[in-house]
Amino acid sequence: NAGVTQTPKFRVLKTGQSMTLLCAQDMNHEYMYWYRQDPGMGLRLIHYSVGEGTTAKGEVPDGYNVSRLKKQNFLLGLESAAPSQTSVYFCASSRLTSTDTQYFGPGTRLTVL
Amino acid sequence: GQQVMQIPQYQHVQEGEDFTTYCNSSTTLSNIQWYKQRPGGHPVFLIQLVKSGEVKKQKRLTFQFGEAKKNSSLHITATQTTDVGTYFCAGHYGNNRLAFGKGNQVVVIP
Repeated sequence: NAGVTQTPKFRVLKTGQSMTLLCAQDMNHEYMYWYRQDPGMGLRLIHYSVGEGTTAKGEVPDGYNVSRLKKQNFLLGLESAAPSQTSVYFCASSRLTSTDTQYFGPGTRLTVL
Repeated sequence: GQQVMQIPQYQHVQEGEDFTTYCNSSTTLSNIQWYKQRPGGHPVFLIQLVKSGEVKKQKRLTFQFGEAKKNSSLHITATQTTDVGTYFCAGHYGNNRLAFGKGNQVVVIP
């Protein structure tokens, strides 16, 4: 039981490049989330999903898109990366509702030059 | 918007001493969760508090939820070096999201 996994672990992009971050969970959880963590800012919700085929905006959605085509996967896309998107990105999942325990992945450290 | 405030943001604690970290909301929470993130790691769930005035203990950690369900605290006794990390509270307002505080970074001095 791997829990929540994220790929890649590290990535360096140039301004304007695009990339996709992959999150996978093997716990059959309904809810999945993408957060970004910046020094002194805590965890800020980018997008979330309440089930397969659904997505919703969080606190800081601009510049990001997401898809949840399969229940176990939640993809985060950056269409045109900007230096302001340099951050650590965490994926999380919870069983049935947002009040359930959130299980976090190990994170992806992204640097945009 | 809905947010929770954590104080203090940073703490230096002598090994063996006690410390407390606080979480405050301007509006009533339906419940609150606490997470711990070790340096270089990811947040890990510690506990959830739901009832007004609720107190829960985990060994040296004591969690409280205020009577008005607007604040919470985490008290750690006899601090150990393993307590180093950032402690986050996350408030649930009855919608589909948790609002995370900015965290309390704790450094333990041996």
